[in-house]
Amino acid sequence: DAMVIQNPRYQVTQFGKPVTLSCSQTLNHNVMYWYQQKSSQAPKLLFHYYDKDFNNEADTPDNFQSRRPNTSFCFLDIRSPGLGDAAMYLCATSRDRGALGEQYFGPGTRLTVT
Amino acid sequence: DAKTTQPPSMDCAEGRAANLPCNHSTISGNEYVYWYRQIHSQGPQYIIHGLKNNETNEMASLIITEDRKSSTLILPHATLRDTAVYYCIVRARHTGNQFYFGTGTSLTVIP
Repeated sequence: DAMVIQNPRYQVTQFGKPVTLSCSQTLNHNVMYWYQQKSSQAPKLLFHYYDKDFNNEADTPDNFQSRRPNTSFCFLDIRSPGLGDAAMYLCATSRDRGALGEQYFGPGTRLTVT
Repeated sequence: DAKTTQPPSMDCAEGRAANLPCNHSTISGNEYVYWYRQIHSQGPQYIIHGLKNNETNEMASLIITEDRKSSTLILPHATLRDTAVYYCIVRARHTGNQFYFGTGTSLTVIP
């Protein structure tokens, strides 16, 4: 059973055209994360939500925003995608921020910018 | 969080044990060692974690040296499906649960 779901799996957008990626979870976890992974690189944390508390990484560009309307859903908004934003975007969850244990990752959305 | 150093790539024969090393010489006393893997075009998958004792689960074993400056992930009987990038991450228990991935080791299991 899918636990962290990302839609769509593949997204094509035009340069400068806003795009939204979605993530949902059936685990009822408190924390949700967004990572960016460019080709042949390790995942890079963009930001995370602990419940409704948004935590941005210091080097995440302003072009990237996120929304979490409820426990189950989290969205990644790219306001004006550039060619350099083409990447795999990974959503992950964890039960609690201070807890031990693993993060559960979704399959990712591969974003292409034309 | 402490940085980790891993070899960029390794090969392993199918059915043999795969031993993946990780150096974390600046690890502090409250930091755990985590291992994840990422099969091509999939999200990372949790494997195992430990503090100072050796750990074993159904997927792998984790051996941490006594000084905790390095560790080894052991896949006891590697299969072709274990071909993936393996990430070693060190993280303190109360740093907000972020994972900062290093460059990882690309393991290729050879038939």
